[in-house]
Amino acid sequence: EAQVTQNPRYLITVTGKKLTVTCSQNMNHEYMSWYRQDPGLGLRQIYYSMNVEVTDKGDVPEGYKVSRKEKRNFPLILESPSPNQTSLYFCASSARDSSEQYFGPGTRLTVT
Amino acid sequence: LAKTTQPISMDSYEGQEVNITCSHNNIATNDYITWYQQFPSQGPRFIIQGYKTKVTNEVASLFIPADRKSSTLSLPRVSLSDTAVYYCLVGGLYNQGGKLIFGQGTELSVKP
Repeated sequence: EAQVTQNPRYLITVTGKKLTVTCSQNMNHEYMSWYRQDPGLGLRQIYYSMNVEVTDKGDVPEGYKVSRKEKRNFPLILESPSPNQTSLYFCASSARDSSEQYFGPGTRLTVT
Repeated sequence: LAKTTQPISMDSYEGQEVNITCSHNNIATNDYITWYQQFPSQGPRFIIQGYKTKVTNEVASLFIPADRKSSTLSLPRVSLSDTAVYYCLVGGLYNQGGKLIFGQGTELSVKP
């Protein structure tokens, strides 16, 4: 089954404790992206990757890092999480010649 | 990047046709128009995409006038399960270098 998976689905952590949210897709998609969703602010793009070893900043990259060492994986790293990063995070992927993105199930992160 | 404007919310009743209009006055020549549907706590799901005139699939129709400065998503005979947030996006992953901007979306509420 074609899908985007994210882990963990739920995470509660404390300020400053480094964490990684994994994202993996099995569709051989070139494009992958991370979004955060907050009430009243909609979906905002954090980082995206057009292909392996190619990443770029979206609208809200501060406090986040990403890497794209393999085509299928695109982890989101929070080196020192803060409470304002409490949010619902979505990973998405897309084929090169398509604007149709496939979204993962989401990761709900709470930073206390 | 083309900015989009949609109504914040809409109400409808089961069995009615619902039309959601999106304004995108500064759409570029090579931009596509894409609509997504999102249920609470789930990732957005692709509904339909078009460039001009009319596109129809098993779920919805998309009407795009000749000047392409707006588009209308049409949902025929809605049911309670169509209650969701609908997002209009303008652009294309690869002709915009990968950056995508989701607007606030339209929250559709379908009542019995």
